Amino acid sequence: KAGVTQTPRYLIKTRGQQVTLSCSPISGHRSVSWYQQTPGQGLQFLFEYFSETQRNKGNFPGRFSGRQFSNSRSEMNVSTLELGDSALYLCASSPYTRGRDNEQFFGPGTRLTVL
Amino acid sequence: AQSVSQHNHHVILSEAASLELGCNYSYGGTVNLFWYVQYPGQHLQLLLKYFSGDPLVKGIKGFEAEFIKSKFSFNLRKPSVQWSDTAEYFCAVKPGIYGGATNKLIFGTGTLLAVQP
Repeated sequence: KAGVTQTPRYLIKTRGQQVTLSCSPISGHRSVSWYQQTPGQGLQFLFEYFSETQRNKGNFPGRFSGRQFSNSRSEMNVSTLELGDSALYLCASSPYTRGRDNEQFFGPGTRLTVL
Repeated sequence: AQSVSQHNHHVILSEAASLELGCNYSYGGTVNLFWYVQYPGQHLQLLLKYFSGDPLVKGIKGFEAEFIKSKFSFNLRKPSVQWSDTAEYFCAVKPGIYGGATNKLIFGTGTLLAVQP
């Protein structure tokens, strides 16, 4: 079974631009979560989608948005990029939101550098 | 606010030494607890998880962790580390009732473990 894939793997943008990152979950997984990883702040939860609905949102400004498609693929968008948005963005998928064996599987991440 | 604390930011051990990494969380309700590992250049991988039942849980690669509810702790242990255990270790908490309708994880800041051969 293929793992979580994220595209692109690396991205360089300049301040003020916008960016869209993509995540394809493991086949059959309906829940997708996004995290931002930085050396200073560690791993922080951005948002979570399940069956195309946003279930939860972290404490990030409105410049960060996301969506999920009917095939469970998810995208996140960051508008008006700032230098502080430079980070590794991780996507995680799981089969569902409830239950004992609800393990999340993480993708390799997209490394975003804002110049 | 809910938070997770990992007491050790950097740990250096020699091979065959025992390992214990501390993790404490602040949340009064039911939690699911996890330890993840990130080897250099690799994805975050799940080491072990606690949902309910036996507070001593065993994971992959000889790791185990003990949930002590009264101390809000979930410390990771390994009796004898190997050079290949060099990685960053993250403790994570999923607050909410058992089976709650969210996958949101709150992570600790991570512990960098370096094992010297």
